[in-house]
Amino acid sequence: EIVMTQSAATLSVSPGERATLSCRASQSVSSNLAWYQQKPGQAPRLLIYDASTRATGIPARFSGSGSGTEFTLTISSLQSEDFAVYYCQQYNDWLLFTFGPGTKVDIK
Amino acid sequence: EVQLLESGGGLAQPGGSLRLSCAASGFPFSSFAMTWIRQAPGKGLEWVSAISSGSSNTYFADSVKGRFTISRDNSKNMLYLQINSLRAEDAAVYYCARVVLGYYVDSWGQGTLVAVSS
Repeated sequence: EIVMTQSAATLSVSPGERATLSCRASQSVSSNLAWYQQKPGQAPRLLIYDASTRATGIPARFSGSGSGTEFTLTISSLQSEDFAVYYCQQYNDWLLFTFGPGTKVDIK
Repeated sequence: EVQLLESGGGLAQPGGSLRLSCAASGFPFSSFAMTWIRQAPGKGLEWVSAISSGSSNTYFADSVKGRFTISRDNSKNMLYLQINSLRAEDAAVYYCARVVLGYYVDSWGQGTLVAVSS
């Protein structure tokens, strides 16, 4: 079983600053990684898939990078609506998924 | 517009059963694999189960294997999750979600809450 870890449980960032979130897989998942954003009381929303491809309608300030076991989600300039919890998810094996524990981005 | 609407959640006793349903619309349901993902109160996301577009392949997390069954009715655009032998740790919001190409999840329902208490 592939285990996903996210290095920070909470990241405190000021509006307008850059946020860098990390995700690590216990074994290589190639580029088979997605990032989701979840706000309180809402379902998650797909931000990034295939490690670096933005989903439809996602602003350009969100970018993903990495491959193998190390991945990064970058929010270039945090807006008020970006304060949320972010999850990474691997999908290296067909229809078998694992999520990371999540990183909460809150206001510094 | 993709719409996924879950139902069937509620309060059940430990050892009891529930059947969750998900009504899909706005896309060719029979062409997509589907999945259930849950979230315990205040916790992170946990993948539960997935089913291929034609029902030939089903997959389960170890935590629910042998107790949960996933199924779908492509003629009705419906996805189901049968939950048996309920445990306290099964209490969560259960999301129905669409899987793209059998890999990442691109659309989620709003979830249905399962509570477990005697």
